[in-house]
Amino acid sequence: DVKVTQSSRYLVKRTGEKVFLECVQDMDHENMFWYRQDPGLGLRLIYFSYDVKMKEKGDIPEGYSVSREKKERFSLILESASTNQTSMYLCASRIFGTGGRGYTFGSGTRLTVV
Amino acid sequence: DQQVKQNSPSLSVQEGRISILNCDYTNSMFDYFLWYKKYPAEGPTFLISISSIKDKNEDGRFTVFLNKSAKHLSLHIVPSQPGDSAVYFCAAGVQGAQKLVFGQGTRLTINP
Repeated sequence: DVKVTQSSRYLVKRTGEKVFLECVQDMDHENMFWYRQDPGLGLRLIYFSYDVKMKEKGDIPEGYSVSREKKERFSLILESASTNQTSMYLCASRIFGTGGRGYTFGSGTRLTVV
Repeated sequence: DQQVKQNSPSLSVQEGRISILNCDYTNSMFDYFLWYKKYPAEGPTFLISISSIKDKNEDGRFTVFLNKSAKHLSLHIVPSQPGDSAVYFCAAGVQGAQKLVFGQGTRLTINP
């Protein structure tokens, strides 16, 4: 069964810390995505990547960066965590192509910044 | 600019009845649409999709209807079951583009 694995289910970090959220997929998918989910706002795209070392900004990239050194791994970095980055973070991947089932999501990381 | 909108944050339905979740979109370039279901502390899972060349797609208890002229889609669940209680997201995409645009989600509660 295909899988997207996020390394942490829950994280608590202090304001100003540098935070790394890791995501690994075992499906050889070219495309990987980071979203955050907030009540009333749905899923908002932070960054995505079409291939190794390739990245593009999504709708809300401010305060975040990403790294994709290997095809299977896509990391989200909060350079200096702030309380407004408290959220549920969802990683997703999909094979290059169109339509179909869209994304496969990980289970999410609930990040709390105090 | 919210290109995909789910205007009902929540919906409560009696077990056995029909649940209807609605979604509107503004971008006429979207040519396929999906519904995802999300339980607490889990990632969204794919439920059903529809291409813009169709106006209906059915999979068991789930049916999605697409009205392109109104830029509206709906998900029907018949009959509703307690395990259907979850947050439902609609999403839209363009063939050839890899990213999806999601709505705000609707929390469906099925009451026994």
